[in-house]
Amino acid sequence: GAGVSQTPSNKVTEKGKYVELRCDPISGHTALYWYRQSLGQGPEFLIYFQGTGAADDSGLPNDRFFAVRPEGSVSTLKIQRTERGDSAVYLCASSPRGDRATSGRSDTQYFGPGTRLTVL
Amino acid sequence: KNQVEQSPQSLIILEGKNCTLQCNYTVSPFSNLRWYKQDTGRGPVSLTIMTFSENTKSNGRYTATLDADTKQSSLHITASQLSDSASYICVVSRNRDDKIIFGKGTRLHILP
Repeated sequence: GAGVSQTPSNKVTEKGKYVELRCDPISGHTALYWYRQSLGQGPEFLIYFQGTGAADDSGLPNDRFFAVRPEGSVSTLKIQRTERGDSAVYLCASSPRGDRATSGRSDTQYFGPGTRLTVL
Repeated sequence: KNQVEQSPQSLIILEGKNCTLQCNYTVSPFSNLRWYKQDTGRGPVSLTIMTFSENTKSNGRYTATLDADTKQSSLHITASQLSDSASYICVVSRNRDDKIIFGKGTRLHILP
């Protein structure tokens, strides 16, 4: 498939544990975004990568959250010492060039299906 | 404060009927506005995008309007189908730093 994929689709963990969520963006897309979505809410921005570097990590709620994209394609969102409040759907999106295209219009973001994280 | 407010929070209509969803924003300076459709258990999918100079944009049975003066947008769905049941999210980009602000969405239920 040519879309954004995320694994696992569901993750259940215990409070205090460490989890990793993976995102495979569309091939060739330089921009990658992570969002968190709680039930009945819109996606909440976490972090944005342009290539290998985090261009904007202002949405990460605290230092328990960290994300990497070492080769500019696959990204991993890492959550340490999980808390029950971390339970949500974690969405990943990618776009061809990033927030600003040559026309001044932001690129369309293509979302993955999300990973549903449940912290017991 | 940069906000995106959507109404109604949820909406139930019969199949075949039309409906209009509203989005009001205070994001400034404005770059563009998108409407996304999010099916249950799926990621959002872009329906339309409009910049400052565009007043209306259609995508099949979906028509989005934008009034940049009043900072309001609407998404009109014509002849609704059961597959239109989803959340519709309004997303506004800020021109200064390309920040993207999501609304909470309108949950639309189409009944047969």
